[in-house]
Amino acid sequence: GQQLNQSPQSMFIQEGEDVSMNCTSSSIFNTWLWYKQDPGEGPVLLIALYKAGELTSNGRLTAQFGITRKDSFLNISASIPSDVGIYFCAGLRGTYKYIFGTGTRLKVLA
Amino acid sequence: DAGVTQSPTHLIKTRGQQVTLRCSPISGHKSVSWYQQVLGQGPQFIFQYYEKEERGRGNFPDRFSARQFPNYSSELNVNALLLGDSALYLCASSPTGSGEKLFFGSGTQLSVL
Repeated sequence: GQQLNQSPQSMFIQEGEDVSMNCTSSSIFNTWLWYKQDPGEGPVLLIALYKAGELTSNGRLTAQFGITRKDSFLNISASIPSDVGIYFCAGLRGTYKYIFGTGTRLKVLA
Repeated sequence: DAGVTQSPTHLIKTRGQQVTLRCSPISGHKSVSWYQQVLGQGPQFIFQYYEKEERGRGNFPDRFSARQFPNYSSELNVNALLLGDSALYLCASSPTGSGEKLFFGSGTQLSVL
C-alpha cells in the first residue's frame, strides 16, 4: 500500500539534544497529523495541522505544515528518554483516508 | 472519559479460519476507521464508517468486511485467513470522520499460523 516517505528512518541522539524529522510526498494533502507509537500500542496523536504554513507546538514538540502542502516537519527540543518510540506522519487524502508515513525510529541515549 | 477500546488484545488463528475484531469509539464520536499495521510499517487504511454507512474502503480484498452498529461501535471481520493477515489491527474514532483528528485504540494483535 501507499506510504509517505519519512526521514530519517532511525536516529540515535543524546538526551538533551534537539531532533528534526520530516515527511514528504508527491501529492498534496489537506491535513497533517503526527503520532508517536510505542511497541505493542496504538499511535498517540501529538499534533494536528490544517493549513499550509501553519506552525503548531505541543510542549517540546513543534510541527509545521509545508508551504507546498506536500510535506510536514516535526521538531522535538531537549529530548528526554521517554521520547523513545516511532514517530509517524499521516496526510489526509480526500476527506477521510489518511496515508501514513514509513516512520522514524527515535532512540535516546541517556 | 474512556478512549477507544478494542477487543480482544491478542488473537491466534490458523489459516482458513475467520476472525471478528471489535471496537468501541470515544463517547460522542460517530465515525470509526480501521487500519492494518504490519510489523515495521505504518498503518494502512481498510475502512471508514460513519452513521452505520461505509464511507470508504482501502485496497483490501473482499475477505475483509466491517459494520457499524447504532451505538457507533464497530466490528471488523476477516474470512479465509492468510499468513499475510498477521498484523496489528487498529481502530480509530473521530466525531464525523471528515478531515478531523483520528484517535486510535491499542489495537488487536492478530497472529495467523
